[in-house]
Amino acid sequence: DVKVTQSSRYLVKRTGEKVFLECVQDMDHENMFWYRQDPGLGLRLIYFSYDVKMKEKGDIPEGYSVSREKKERFSLILESASTNQTSMYLCASSLEGGFSERDSVVSGELFFGEGSRLTVL
Amino acid sequence: SQQGEEDPQALSIQEGENATMNCSYKTSINNLQWYRQNSGRGLVHLILIRSNEREKHSGRLRVTLDTSKKSSSLLITASRAADTASYFCATDRSYSGAGSYQLTFGKGTKLSVIP
Repeated sequence: DVKVTQSSRYLVKRTGEKVFLECVQDMDHENMFWYRQDPGLGLRLIYFSYDVKMKEKGDIPEGYSVSREKKERFSLILESASTNQTSMYLCASSLEGGFSERDSVVSGELFFGEGSRLTVL
Repeated sequence: SQQGEEDPQALSIQEGENATMNCSYKTSINNLQWYRQNSGRGLVHLILIRSNEREKHSGRLRVTLDTSKKSSSLLITASRAADTASYFCATDRSYSGAGSYQLTFGKGTKLSVIP
């Protein structure tokens, strides 16, 4: 079974602190993702990576950065945490799902970690 | 940007009844996926349906896809209390000639199955 492990289930940080959220997957997946989930807003994509040292901005990258130095590990960094970054953070990984009829690469099934609930005071 | 939108936002049924959830989306897709999330946990993949498929089954789950209406439905038959969870649809945006690695999720339907 694919396992995606997030380093912390619960964190409490103070405004201005630097926060690292770590995610490790054990199935050699190319793609890794960071989402945040907030009530009424659903899941929103922060950043994703389709290869080592590669990263792409998602829908809400402001205030976040990421690092992928090894294929199995994808880190989310909050350089200076703010109260509006209090949220549930979900990491996911996937293989590519093959190609569409138009020869574009399609997303495969995502495997999620258990989530990291961050509170910024 | 929100692509899929689930309907209803919340659904409460008795054990043994069927539960139907709907998802509408706005732009062309390569595939559509359904996920389940138990309270406070990560999401778990349920089923994937490709844009050239119309219906797919997996155990007590039945998913339909109507690309002309840009909509999908998830049917859970003979529901159980353990099916209580939030259900999300996710769409893979279709870009002609380019890679698309992103899934965009809706806000979910919260299903409560009463024993």
